[in-house]
Amino acid sequence: EIVLTQSPATLSLSPGERATLSCRASQSVSSYLAWYQQKPGQAPRLLIYDASNRATGIPARFSGSGSGTDFTLTISSLEPEDFAVYYCQQRSNWPETFGPGTKVDIK
Amino acid sequence: EVQLVESGGGLVQPGRSLRLSCAASGFTFDDYAMHWVRQAPGKGLEWVSGISWNSGSIGYADSVKGRFTISRDNAKNSLYLQMNSLRAEDTALYYCAKDHGDIVVVPAAGAFDYWGQGTLVTVSS
Repeated sequence: EIVLTQSPATLSLSPGERATLSCRASQSVSSYLAWYQQKPGQAPRLLIYDASNRATGIPARFSGSGSGTDFTLTISSLEPEDFAVYYCQQRSNWPETFGPGTKVDIK
Repeated sequence: EVQLVESGGGLVQPGRSLRLSCAASGFTFDDYAMHWVRQAPGKGLEWVSGISWNSGSIGYADSVKGRFTISRDNAKNSLYLQMNSLRAEDTALYYCAKDHGDIVVVPAAGAFDYWGQGTLVTVSS
């Protein structure tokens, strides 16, 4: 099973700041990696698929990069609605696995 | 508008069974693979099972293999999860999710582009 490690566990930032979230895979997943956002009491929402493709309706301030084992989700300038938990998911090997999440909270 | 509405959750004793349903609308259901993903209280996401558009390819997490069965009825635009021999560790919010693609395979391009709001399963005596 491919293990995904996300860092940091918590990121405390202010609105307007840049957020950089990391996801590292225990073995190469090529570009088969997605990012989701989850707010309290809500279902996850797809942000990025295939490492760098923004999902429909996702603002341009969200961007994804990386391949192989190291991936990054960048939020260029945090809006109040961006404070949430972010998960990465690999779709390279069975079973599909998720990372433990990074919580972005307000500083 | 894509909608996924789960139902069938509840409180059940260990060792008993439960069947979850997911009613889909707003898209051509039989064009897409579908998945179940669960989230234990206060925890992260865990993929449970996936099924291809025509039920020709199915996958399960090791934690549920042999106990859970995924199925779909394309005529009814519905996805199901039959859960047998339930354990306390199966307690979670169960989401159904739509895949970008039509088959369950790895590696898989795309991701889970729509999710329901989930149905809560609590396994306790």
